[in-house]
Amino acid sequence: DIVMTQSPDSLAVSLGERATINCKSSQSVLYSSNNRNFLAWFQQKPGQPPKLLINWASTRESGVPDRFSGSGSGTDFTLTISSLQAEDVAVYYCQQYYSTPRTFGQGTKVEIK
Amino acid sequence: QVQLVESGGGVVQPGRSLRLSCAASGFTFTRSPMHWVRQAPGKGLEWVAAISSDGSDKYYTDSVKGRFTISRDNSKNTQYLQMNSLRADDTAVYYCVREVAVVNDYWGQGTLVTVSS
Repeated sequence: DIVMTQSPDSLAVSLGERATINCKSSQSVLYSSNNRNFLAWFQQKPGQPPKLLINWASTRESGVPDRFSGSGSGTDFTLTISSLQAEDVAVYYCQQYYSTPRTFGQGTKVEIK
Repeated sequence: QVQLVESGGGVVQPGRSLRLSCAASGFTFTRSPMHWVRQAPGKGLEWVAAISSDGSDKYYTDSVKGRFTISRDNSKNTQYLQMNSLRADDTAVYYCVREVAVVNDYWGQGTLVTVSS
């Protein structure tokens, strides 16, 4: 199984400041035949199901604010919130869909400082 | 709009069975592989099982193999998760999740399963 490890487990950021979450996979999730990274980011607010923010490591879902961006390739990935808003308080998860079982990182809790 | 509505959760004793259902609407169900993902109280997300669009291929996480069975009825736009020999560590919210172009793009609201004596 591919192990996904996020860092940090939690972070507190001031409103308007940048938040950065890292995700590392135990093996590459880059599919060489199409040069795509099988990596997604989800946002989960309290009492709600997860919401897909980004797929293919860097493709923002329709309707997701452009302050959210994803980067990275192979085994190392980053989710960046460029200017934190109050509504961004949530737990964020990375997920690999390169192989079965699909695995998630442990989650990163983002709070307001 | 896409809707995934789970049902069938509840409180069940260890060793007993439960069947979850997920009714889908707002998209072409027959084209989408489907998944179940669970979340224990206060914990992270754990992928449980998946089924291909025609139901011919099924996949499970190791901890549920031999106990859980995923299935679907494309005539009813519904997928199921039959859970047998339930254990306390199966206690979780179970989410029905759609797959489109390999990506898990839409999640239902979830149904809570509590395994307790």
